[in-house]
Amino acid sequence: DPKIIQKPKYLVAVTGSEKILICEQYLGHNAMYWYRQSAKKPLEFMFSYSYQKLMDNQTASSRFQPQSSKKNHLDLQITALKPDDSATYFCASSPRPNYAEQFFGPGTRLTVL
Amino acid sequence: GDSVTQTEGLVTLTEGLPVMLNCTYQTIYSNAFLFWYVHYLNESPWLLLRSSTDNKRTEHQGFHATLHKSSSSFHLQKSSAQLSDSALYYCALSNTGGLSGKLTFGEGTQVTVIS
Repeated sequence: DPKIIQKPKYLVAVTGSEKILICEQYLGHNAMYWYRQSAKKPLEFMFSYSYQKLMDNQTASSRFQPQSSKKNHLDLQITALKPDDSATYFCASSPRPNYAEQFFGPGTRLTVL
Repeated sequence: GDSVTQTEGLVTLTEGLPVMLNCTYQTIYSNAFLFWYVHYLNESPWLLLRSSTDNKRTEHQGFHATLHKSSSSFHLQKSSAQLSDSALYYCALSNTGGLSGKLTFGEGTQVTVIS
């Protein structure tokens, strides 16, 4: 059974629209993260949450907003979508923020037209 | 800030030959953890190796790496490549002293093993 679920797997959106990427982890972890992988770029850290509180935000734009409704959920809301937002977005988790290993979900591939 | 450099973007090699992927890093912290993650197409990236101990070899699934803090390196090696080793390999850095848990990734090395 998958331990980190990301929904949807693929997502196509039009410029200017808003989308929410879903992430649920069933590992009992207390820290969750979002990373982005754009074309021909490395995995890039976006956010980290610990016990449902924001720990770090490395995104330059307020259009990206994480939402944690439950301890094991960390969704990513993206507003006013742009073609440059096209990327694969990975959710990850770890037992705690300063625990070395992170476990990754399968990713959501977002295409903005 | 932290940075990780992987010098090879693409590596193609023949099955049975040795593999070495380079990774160097920069950080101001002395308590860095270094990782190698493997990413197969359409799957989740997963952890292959990790280390925070200077000059200690770590091994998993036939791969090995040694963290050398003096040269800020964590190169990945395997003595004999297999077809199933074809994947994208990321070197990554984490500073456990911080609270964010941020992983800093290198640009990745795409490895293709041919028969």
